[in-house]
Amino acid sequence: KAGVTQTPRYLIKTRGQQVTLSCSPISGHRSVSWYQQTPGQGLQFLFEYFSETQRNKGNFPGRFSGRQFSNSRSEMNVSTLELGDSALYLCASSSRTSGYTDTQYFGPGTRLTVL
Amino acid sequence: QKEVEQDPGPLSVPEGAIVSLNCTYSNSAFQYFMWYRQYSRKGPELLMYTYSSGNKEDGRFTAQVDKSSKYISLFIRDSQPSDSATYLCAVTDSWGKLQFGAGTQVVVTP
Repeated sequence: KAGVTQTPRYLIKTRGQQVTLSCSPISGHRSVSWYQQTPGQGLQFLFEYFSETQRNKGNFPGRFSGRQFSNSRSEMNVSTLELGDSALYLCASSSRTSGYTDTQYFGPGTRLTVL
Repeated sequence: QKEVEQDPGPLSVPEGAIVSLNCTYSNSAFQYFMWYRQYSRKGPELLMYTYSSGNKEDGRFTAQVDKSSKYISLFIRDSQPSDSATYLCAVTDSWGKLQFGAGTQVVVTP
């Protein structure tokens, strides 16, 4: 079974621009979560989507948004990029369907650099 | 204060030694405990997953949870250079919003 894939793997943007990252979950997984990883803050939860609906949200500003499509693929968007948005953005998928925890499988991440 | 505390290391051990990693957490609502391994330029991969106090063993890896002390541990026996990576503990409540520790960088020297 193919793993979680993320595109692009690397991205360079300048301040003020916006960016869209894509994630394709493991086949059959309907839950997709996004995380930001930086050396200073570590891995931080951004949001989770399930069946095209945002089910959980972390403590990030509204510039960070996401969506999920009917085939469970997900995108996250960051508008008005700031230098501090430079990070590894990780997507994770799981098969969990309701309020219980199931294993999350991570993709390789998208390395975003904001200049 | 972070909800999950983990010493970032680095932790350097000789090949064959036991690696001991620890995390503490503050919220007793956390019910599920995980250890992930992350190699450089890769996403984290799940190593161990448990939801109860006690020990869980998988090959050379043992995860230990003490809910009364809010303390979780990972032990790696007979460490190999291929075990060199960053190890992240993670905790979650029943809704699956993972909270990660800072990650401990482990270096196993031949």
